[in-house]
Amino acid sequence: LAKTTQPISMDSYEGQEVNITCSHNNIATNDYITWYQQFPSQGPRFIIQGYKTKVTNEVASLFIPADRKSSTLSLPRVSLSDTAVYYCLVGDNNAGNNRKLIWGLGTSLAVNP
Amino acid sequence: NAGVMQNPRHLVRRRGQEARLRCSPMKGHSHVYWYRQLPEEGLKFMVYLQKENIIDESGMPKERFSAEFPKEGPSILRIQQVVRGDSAAYFCASSPVRPVVANYGYTFGSGTRLTVV
Repeated sequence: LAKTTQPISMDSYEGQEVNITCSHNNIATNDYITWYQQFPSQGPRFIIQGYKTKVTNEVASLFIPADRKSSTLSLPRVSLSDTAVYYCLVGDNNAGNNRKLIWGLGTSLAVNP
Repeated sequence: NAGVMQNPRHLVRRRGQEARLRCSPMKGHSHVYWYRQLPEEGLKFMVYLQKENIIDESGMPKERFSAEFPKEGPSILRIQQVVRGDSAAYFCASSPVRPVVANYGYTFGSGTRLTVV
C-alpha cells in the first residue's frame, strides 16, 4: 500500500495560488493519484485525479512529475470558501479496490481575508 | 439526481443502546463503503458491500458492529451496546457498478455524527 505524506497545515490569503505537495515514494504502476476536499461536518468531495503529467479541471490542476513519486495540487486564486482539509490518496483505480485507500490526516488549508 | 443520503445527521445514544445508521447510495450505484472518522483523524475503512453481499469487512471491529445492504432499501450500519469510544463521524460512500478509468472517485454522504453519552 502506498503511503502519502502531506503538510499538516497551510495558510494563504484570498486571491493567491495555493500549491499542496504530496509525497508517495512507493507508488505502484497501476496506482492513480486522487485528491479530495473535506469541509467541516461534511463528507469528502472528489476534486481531481491523475496518473501522470498534468490534469486540469474547473476546480484545480494536478501536476505529476515523470517519476510519479510526488504530486502537487494547485488551487488558483483561492477564496475563503476554499478553507478545508485536502487529502491526497494513491491507489488502484478500480471499484472495490478503493477500500484499500489509506486516508492520512490531510492538509488543513486556512484562507485568510 | 440526489447524492448519497445518510440519516440521521446527528445521533445521540446512551451507553449500551443500539445505533442504526442508514445510507442510500446514488442512483445507479451498487457499491457501498462505510468509513469512520474520529476527531482530528483521517477516514478509516470499515466495510465494503454490494447488493446483499459483504465483500470486505476487514475494517469492522469484531464485536458489536454489523452492516447490511439489502436488495431493497438503504445500507445499514448497526452498532450494538454502544460505548463512548464509538463516538465519531460515520461516512458512507458509493460508486457505480463499472469502474471508470479517468476522473473516477467515490461520492460521499454528509455523514452521521454519533455521540455516546
